[in-house]
Amino acid sequence: AQSVAQPEDQVNVAEGNPLTVKCTYSVSGNPYLFWYVQYPNRGLQFLLKYITGDNLVKGSYGFEAEFNKSQTSFHLKKPSALVSDSALYFCAVRDNSWGKFQFGAGTQVVVTP
Amino acid sequence: DTAVSQTPKYLVTQMGNDKSIKCEQNLGHDTMYWYKQDSKKFLKIMFSYNNKELIINETVPNRFSPKSPDKAHLNLHINSLELGDSAVYFCASSLGIAGPDTQYFGPGTRLTVL
Repeated sequence: AQSVAQPEDQVNVAEGNPLTVKCTYSVSGNPYLFWYVQYPNRGLQFLLKYITGDNLVKGSYGFEAEFNKSQTSFHLKKPSALVSDSALYFCAVRDNSWGKFQFGAGTQVVVTP
Repeated sequence: DTAVSQTPKYLVTQMGNDKSIKCEQNLGHDTMYWYKQDSKKFLKIMFSYNNKELIINETVPNRFSPKSPDKAHLNLHINSLELGDSAVYFCASSLGIAGPDTQYFGPGTRLTVL
């Protein structure tokens, strides 16, 4: 069985400061890990994914994520947050087979001016 | 061009009614999905179709019936609507069913059952 945890319901950060959104996962095989963002009243937008190779993955809008196999984590980061980054962020995992995504519960990011 | 589109965007109806939500993707993908997002924003998969064949059917009441007339379309029909069906329903598609395949989401349909 696969699972994913986002331990923080909400992350508050001041504009210009670094932003980190945490995600840990559990899968039986090799994981495929994804980050999505959801703005109010919108669908989920794909940010980035880890398949294999380099542990640091770069994605859209200046976001990046670091895969850490020993800690089974895939934290999303942005060096300098913008007010427009305020949204709901979802981590998702899929194992090395066909099947469903397992989404985390989501983390609300609030960036204040 | 919208990659994954859903109609309607909003749906307000009475308990007991039957309603449908339509989804279309123009990405040339083989696999499509329906998700339900509840009031706490939790996302749960309901169904998945690959090349018009049902491959994932979660523990969803049989009042929910998906139909895929072709690879580009996946519709969701709901019979005898209940208050608990109120949620946002998202359609998504991916190239295939392989692990690394990214899912692309539609804008959602907000269903309100009165």
